[in-house]
Amino acid sequence: DTAVSQTPKYLVTQMGNDKSIKCEQNLGHDTMYWYKQDSKKFLKIMFSYNNKELIINETVPNRFSPKSPDKAHLNLHINSLELGDSAVYFCASSQGAGTGELFFGEGSRLTVL
Amino acid sequence: AQSVTQPDIHITVSEGASLELRCNYSYGATPYLFWYVQSPGQGLQLLLKYFSGDTLVQGIKGFEAEFKRSQSSFNLRKPSVHWSDAAEYFCAVGARGNTPLVFGKGTRLSVIA
Repeated sequence: DTAVSQTPKYLVTQMGNDKSIKCEQNLGHDTMYWYKQDSKKFLKIMFSYNNKELIINETVPNRFSPKSPDKAHLNLHINSLELGDSAVYFCASSQGAGTGELFFGEGSRLTVL
Repeated sequence: AQSVTQPDIHITVSEGASLELRCNYSYGATPYLFWYVQSPGQGLQLLLKYFSGDTLVQGIKGFEAEFKRSQSSFNLRKPSVHWSDAAEYFCAVGARGNTPLVFGKGTRLSVIA
């Protein structure tokens, strides 16, 4: 009964491919996020959805497209993968946007060869 | 815009010794402040948080942190470190409204016998 679950945990793929990461939360939260953690462990917000509506879209290439079919799910699709996309992607959720207390998934490590 | 500085990239302490991890933030209003811990290969877990009120907050695993507005600091402390505390520690600042958490670059804690 993991609170925030992401799949897959590991992804290894070639440059130019398209891949998706799925995220689901069973906490009843209304806000979900994608964060990117680079090789130096720096965490940066990518997107945030509140009740399926996009509320934060940081400076992220438009090859990255989030989709929230309902407030319990937030998926991330990445087109035309590049070497620099290699990172760990974390999904998180919170009750209310801006309250800040985030619950994180275990991360999805993407390696682009 | 908020920002967080964790001046120490890596700290090594002996098991049983006390610990203090530093965090300085920049934000115009009263911030929401957090400490998260990330064990290897895991997501981030909330240790403690400060929203308002008592400036000394207690968290899980025997950690505490003190909010000092005059110093714009929110340092994390533990009186006696255990080997299982070895991990990456992140300080984060948030605010009301649709503002995502901003994380510091993390401090890696190593614990030696």
